[in-house]
Amino acid sequence: ETGVTQSPTHLIKTRGQQVTLRCSSQSGHNTVSWYQQALGQGPQFIFQYYREEENGRGNFPPRFSGLQFPNYSSELNVNALELDDSALYLCASRGGLAGGEQYFGPGTRLTVT
Amino acid sequence: QQPVQSPQAVILREGEDAVINCSSSKALYSVHWYRQKHGEAPVFLMILLKGGEQKGHDKISASFNEKKQQSSLYLTASQLSYSGTYFCGTEAGGAGSYQLTFGKGTKLSVIP
Repeated sequence: ETGVTQSPTHLIKTRGQQVTLRCSSQSGHNTVSWYQQALGQGPQFIFQYYREEENGRGNFPPRFSGLQFPNYSSELNVNALELDDSALYLCASRGGLAGGEQYFGPGTRLTVT
Repeated sequence: QQPVQSPQAVILREGEDAVINCSSSKALYSVHWYRQKHGEAPVFLMILLKGGEQKGHDKISASFNEKKQQSSLYLTASQLSYSGTYFCGTEAGGAGSYQLTFGKGTKLSVIP
């Protein structure tokens, strides 16, 4: 158990809909990163939040957006869902911006039909 | 830029050793190693920092060659529980942004 939690565990959405995924970071961790992991691939970096500010973004379109709250929990929002958005979405937290151990949550499995 | 892992897959018998390599074209600040079992999230194994020492716990250890921007993960006397996909995540840093970029993974299967 890493102390990082995510909700929901599974989600089925229809193409064109919007979805919000949630993540609670491990106690004491102020940095949260979100990843998309397609089947058989490594996690792909979406973006990172440090003390409520976005600090780094991967190669994802603007319809992927996020928030970090004062308690360092975070949300990932995806608008206008596409079939290719079907994946495991992982959040990970670390205690600081660089060089620290990063722990993953259990993930949210999103299926877009 | 995504680090390159090798081999892509390896099959071991219990008790055998394995080495998994990770290389990057960028100057690295740190390398992180994870193991992921099917249907589960990646589990943190260890982190190697620039200028740091080789790490290890139990029968799993890793090294980081800063000159070559390469890291290797060593698994000795493998156990069935070592099976899974191993990912390296590299952190290049710079310009105020530190993020992990993961390789495609190495699938390790340990058989009795």
